Amino acid sequence: GQNIDQPTEMTATEGAIVQINCTYQTSGFNGLFWYQQHAGEAPTFLSYNVLDGLEEKGRFSSFLSRSKGYSYLLLKELQMKDSASYLCAVRDSDYKLSFGAGTTVTVRA
Amino acid sequence: IAGITQAPTSQILAAGRRMTLRCTQDMRHNAMYWYRQDLGLGLRLIHYSNTAGTTGKGEVPDGYSVSRANTDDFPLTLASAVPSQTSVYFCASSRLAGGPDTQYFGPGTRLTVL
Repeated sequence: GQNIDQPTEMTATEGAIVQINCTYQTSGFNGLFWYQQHAGEAPTFLSYNVLDGLEEKGRFSSFLSRSKGYSYLLLKELQMKDSASYLCAVRDSDYKLSFGAGTTVTVRA
Repeated sequence: IAGITQAPTSQILAAGRRMTLRCTQDMRHNAMYWYRQDLGLGLRLIHYSNTAGTTGKGEVPDGYSVSRANTDDFPLTLASAVPSQTSVYFCASSRLAGGPDTQYFGPGTRLTVL
């Protein structure tokens, strides 16, 4: 199984940068995903990492270090609409996902 | 519009009653999944199916059953509901292709068991 940890809550100001860390212990690593979930809605895909390094997609970037069991999601130029929960998920060799409890990000004006 | 639909959107159920949550996808995805989401615990896998005719148990399968008679449908049944099954239930699907192949989630069913 997987043990995935991420902070419960983070608060930041509009226009700022926020980094959400995720650590994991895995029994068969086959990729790491980040999802965004607005209150009352379904999770939606943000990013995917399987090799070490940084993946950049617009204002969002995700980093992975497999040797350290560590990833982060970087949100730049924060906007009010970025207020949501961000879920870290690890995929195993059977293609099943295990999720962290999620980090609720609140963006203040 | 392609995607996943779930029904009902929400339901209040008396303890001991039987309930089936419906999930249908039109993306011809091989794999389908059922999760429950509880505050502070995140999404937990209940059951999954990698292809029509096969199912498997996830992290929290007790009290739930599933079937996969065809590619599109993956119903979740609570045989005798208990209050601890109060949760938001999400169905998801994926191509099961590896790489950046992600899971796509339905809108969820909010279930309250009294």
